[in-house]
Amino acid sequence: ETGVTQTPRHLVMGMTNKKSLKCEQHLGHNAMYWYKQSAKKPLELMFVYNFKEQTENNSVPSRFSPECPNSSHLFLHLHTLQPEDSALYLCASSQEGGATTSQYFGPGTRLTVT
Amino acid sequence: AQSVTQLDSQVPVFEEAPVELRCNYSSSVSVYLFWYVQYPNQGLQLLLKYLSGSTLVKGINGFEAEFNKSQTSFHLRKPSVHISDTAEYFCAVSPNQGGTSYGKLTFGQGTILTVHP
Repeated sequence: ETGVTQTPRHLVMGMTNKKSLKCEQHLGHNAMYWYKQSAKKPLELMFVYNFKEQTENNSVPSRFSPECPNSSHLFLHLHTLQPEDSALYLCASSQEGGATTSQYFGPGTRLTVT
Repeated sequence: AQSVTQLDSQVPVFEEAPVELRCNYSSSVSVYLFWYVQYPNQGLQLLLKYLSGSTLVKGINGFEAEFNKSQTSFHLRKPSVHISDTAEYFCAVSPNQGGTSYGKLTFGQGTILTVHP
């Protein structure tokens, strides 16, 4: 596989469930990102991991818990979500180089909370 | 902090017509500017970016954008669109600050470009 992959592509979960989203990048990048894309709202940066260390948490509720075991894998653990958390969750990665480097996005996981 | 405003939520055009998608930004520091495209059921793909130098930037698929510092704009243009250009387009900025080895993108709300035959 090449690029950035995300699984599952679609997920329906109840508010009491626990699930995890997975992202894997095959580009040798050092930084990985989680974004939330809701209808009629701009993409929102949620978390940034740089060399496996969390460097950004954009005031995300604790019901979202990220994990980055190595530079190639990123998880988003979900528990006791709310219906307003339904959205497309996008993962991205970039090479070291600061703000000039391009971010490469995966296809996203479409999450529906019932 | 940065903010990005895409002035049109939807732009319908006919095939082979020119198109301009407008983007304005606000920032207290200098920024880098990006345009991304999102095709249905896919992630975002980088079209082009402005880092420095010439204010006219050429990207993939025949798109170009012009950085205008005085008007804080970064409009995207294509002289002749194809049906396959139908997608959602996002303008984004990242602060030009030293000390970090990653980008912090702030996105606009997106513009849906629909190309009709």
